[in-house]
Amino acid sequence: GQNIDQPTEMTATEGAIVQINCTYQTSGFNGLFWYQQHAGEAPTFLSYNVLDGLEEKGRFSSFLSRSKGYSYLLLKELQMKDSASYLCAVRDRSGGATNKLIFGTGTLLAVQP
Amino acid sequence: DAMVIQNPRYQVTQFGKPVTLSCSQTLNHNVMYWYQQKSSQAPKLLFHYYDKDFNNEADTPDNFQSRRPNTSFCFLDIRSPGLGDAAMYLCATSRDRQISYNEQFFGPGTRLTVL
Repeated sequence: GQNIDQPTEMTATEGAIVQINCTYQTSGFNGLFWYQQHAGEAPTFLSYNVLDGLEEKGRFSSFLSRSKGYSYLLLKELQMKDSASYLCAVRDRSGGATNKLIFGTGTLLAVQP
Repeated sequence: DAMVIQNPRYQVTQFGKPVTLSCSQTLNHNVMYWYQQKSSQAPKLLFHYYDKDFNNEADTPDNFQSRRPNTSFCFLDIRSPGLGDAAMYLCATSRDRQISYNEQFFGPGTRLTVL
């Protein structure tokens, strides 16, 4: 079956670094996405990993280990506007459509002054 | 700017009264998706269109239907909304589904309330 696990909530301090973990189980892994979703708004794309290793994009980095079924999103120099839900999504090709995304329930990050 | 547009942003309907949500895109993407997201839950894929080819998820209730009259527009029809259908409905697009890297672009969503 398919399963994606993320912590439900996290709290961090402005200016600090936070790591949001995601573990997944899927039969047809074909890439992992991280999306940011502010309350009442649509998810916006943050990062994509399909090979093992770290992808860096400004203050945001994402890491993938396919053998462990594990990814993390690293946010540096936290700002108040980073308070949002962070969704881990795995692309699964076992159903035939290669761009079908399976979303985790998201990690609600609260950044405090 | 190219974007995914959803109308209305907020929709109120009565129990059992058919409702239609709309999505349009200026990205000229081949694939359009409809997701349902309930409070504090993950977005759940209902169905998607690859061009005119409709792909329904196995667990999507028959109460949910979709139409894509052209590349730019896609509609979600809920034939007889129940209280359990109250949710945020997200439309998304992607350029293709055969290319390995292919992010999905989301619209702002329509929040549906069923009275």
